[in-house]
Amino acid sequence: ETGVTQSPTHLIKTRGQQVTLRCSSQSGHNTVSWYQQALGQGPQFIFQYYREEENGRGNFPPRFSGLQFPNYSSELNVNALELDDSALYLCASSPSGGGDYNEQFFGPGTRLTVL
Amino acid sequence: AQSVTQPDIHITVSEGASLELRCNYSYGATPYLFWYVQSPGQGLQLLLKYFSGDTLVQGIKGFEAEFKRSQSSFNLRKPSVHWSDAAEYFCAVGAGSGSARQLTFGSGTQLTVLP
Repeated sequence: ETGVTQSPTHLIKTRGQQVTLRCSSQSGHNTVSWYQQALGQGPQFIFQYYREEENGRGNFPPRFSGLQFPNYSSELNVNALELDDSALYLCASSPSGGGDYNEQFFGPGTRLTVL
Repeated sequence: AQSVTQPDIHITVSEGASLELRCNYSYGATPYLFWYVQSPGQGLQLLLKYFSGDTLVQGIKGFEAEFKRSQSSFNLRKPSVHWSDAAEYFCAVGAGSGSARQLTFGSGTQLTVLP
């Protein structure tokens, strides 16, 4: 069983550019969540997708957007990059349904540096 | 809104010594509580979780945590620390609706293990 994978591993962008990060969920998981982890901080919830629709959003501006595809993989897009967007971006998938809560399985993350 | 506080930014213990990492949460309803561990350059691994029932929960790698509703705490313990336990530890509360609730994390506790 393949776990959650993310690409790329590292990325360097300049301020004002746009970036797309990708996540492949674990087999059988239909819910994907994205988190931003700034250096020295805990992860912060960006948004969650369930069956290709946004299912919850944290306190992030609209320039953070996402997509979920029919195979439940997901993309995180960030427009007009700012220096403060430099962080580790974590994707987590979960199997949703069949219980009151389902564990979220995290990928290794994408390290984004904005210069 | 929910929040998690981890009062200790950095803890140093000797190998073989006992360990307790503190976590306090704020949440209006019955909380779903988690402890995750993150090694350098890695994603998050779930150590243990509390949903309901027995307030003392056992996790992987010999860790346990106790839920104390009166103190709004969910402290992580291990009777004898191993050098491989050196990592960053995050406490989280699962909030929101749906079976894959968004996680709110504390800012983490960095654990150093001395030989």
